[in-house]
Amino acid sequence: DAGITQSPRHKVTETGTPVTLRCHQTENHRYMYWYRQDPGHGLRLIHYSYGVKDTDKGEVSDGYSVSRSKTEDFLLTLESATSSQTSVYFCATEGVAGSPLHFGNGTRLTVT
Amino acid sequence: QKEVEQDPGPLSVPEGAIVSLNCTYSNSAFQYFMWYRQYSRKGPELLMYTYSSGNKEDGRFTAQVDKSSKYISLFIRDSQPSDSATYLCAMSPGGGATNKLIFGTGTLLAVQP
Repeated sequence: DAGITQSPRHKVTETGTPVTLRCHQTENHRYMYWYRQDPGHGLRLIHYSYGVKDTDKGEVSDGYSVSRSKTEDFLLTLESATSSQTSVYFCATEGVAGSPLHFGNGTRLTVT
Repeated sequence: QKEVEQDPGPLSVPEGAIVSLNCTYSNSAFQYFMWYRQYSRKGPELLMYTYSSGNKEDGRFTAQVDKSSKYISLFIRDSQPSDSATYLCAMSPGGGATNKLIFGTGTLLAVQP
């Protein structure tokens, strides 16, 4: 385990509210990723970071933003939550480009 | 058509059986192939990692890649109840392009004692 902590582990929120999920790692890994996992779709990349203040969009980035002000923290923000964003969100880290990903245990988000 | 196809299962087998899990893909640029295991309410963890075609063995697990058929497999010998999990295949073109990693939807495996 690469020492990845996701918080909160569960959250229920209402449509239209902003939500921020946090990923904290203790391994000093350079690369960090946010995925969502939905039945029938597998894991899909939302945003990723290749260093402090360096981020880029993934496959399903609409409605999400990210920030990385410190190596150890990667935040995912849903600007205005929608029911389609109900999902399980996973953070992953990668020490060296191309090396295996290490995943956190996920945040289960429900948007009502 | 999805880039990576994986039978969702569920697959139920008796303890001690040989299990075969499979994925097919359409992108001939994929060079790196992985299998992740995901227990319920947990994050995926890397099980096997292979490059290009061929076989790789690690204990009871064997990963097989056939690039000519665009088909990868994971075999589990002497399956145990502790192997009960969802198995995800994943693949990328490589070159450090983790942002281009594509996951299958996962196969749920249950090993009955």
